[in-house]
Amino acid sequence: KNEVEQSPQNLTAQEGEFITINCSYSVGISALHWLQQHPGGGIVSLFMLSSGKKKHGRLIATINIQEKHSSLHITASHPRDSAVYICAVGVGNQFYFGTGTSLTVIP
Amino acid sequence: DAEITQSPRHKITETGRQVTLACHQTWNHNNMFWYRQDLGHGLRLIHYSYGVQDTNKGEVSDGYSVSRSNTEDLPLTLESAASSQTSVYFCASSTGLAGTDTQYFGPGTRLTVL
Repeated sequence: KNEVEQSPQNLTAQEGEFITINCSYSVGISALHWLQQHPGGGIVSLFMLSSGKKKHGRLIATINIQEKHSSLHITASHPRDSAVYICAVGVGNQFYFGTGTSLTVIP
Repeated sequence: DAEITQSPRHKITETGRQVTLACHQTWNHNNMFWYRQDLGHGLRLIHYSYGVQDTNKGEVSDGYSVSRSNTEDLPLTLESAASSQTSVYFCASSTGLAGTDTQYFGPGTRLTVL
């Protein structure tokens, strides 16, 4: 059983589209993290949140603690947003990762 | 600028050989982590350390060991490499506990065990 489920697994969008990636989790958490992994492997932390909403540029992350659900939104998507987006939850001293959503943005 | 580096970036080895993957960080973080990434599994925690001389087992620690003799380095050793250990390995570091603080990841090491 995976503590973290992401959807969709794969997503293709046209440049300029609004994108939503969803993450559901089944355990009590300290915080939820969104990570970005570009082709070639490097992993970068985008957001860490435990309540509400955070915004950075065209990226917005929200979390609903009661529903154990988070969403990552990308506004005005661009081909450089093409990457794998990973949801991870912190539980005590542990990190549990989703399997990622592979996003391709077509010009 | 502070960074976290891994070496080698690619490694091919044979079954049964001992392999050590290096991880070095200049963030001066107390906490360091090793993960493996496999298709269909996402990232999984192998070992972690919360300071010098401290090491702890993660979810998939069998066949791996780590040692922490200074703040900057956490080498990962595969005692006797197995084909099931073919994977991409990521090192990470953070100021706070695993779940409560931003982690900074290294570039990864792609290991192939033949």
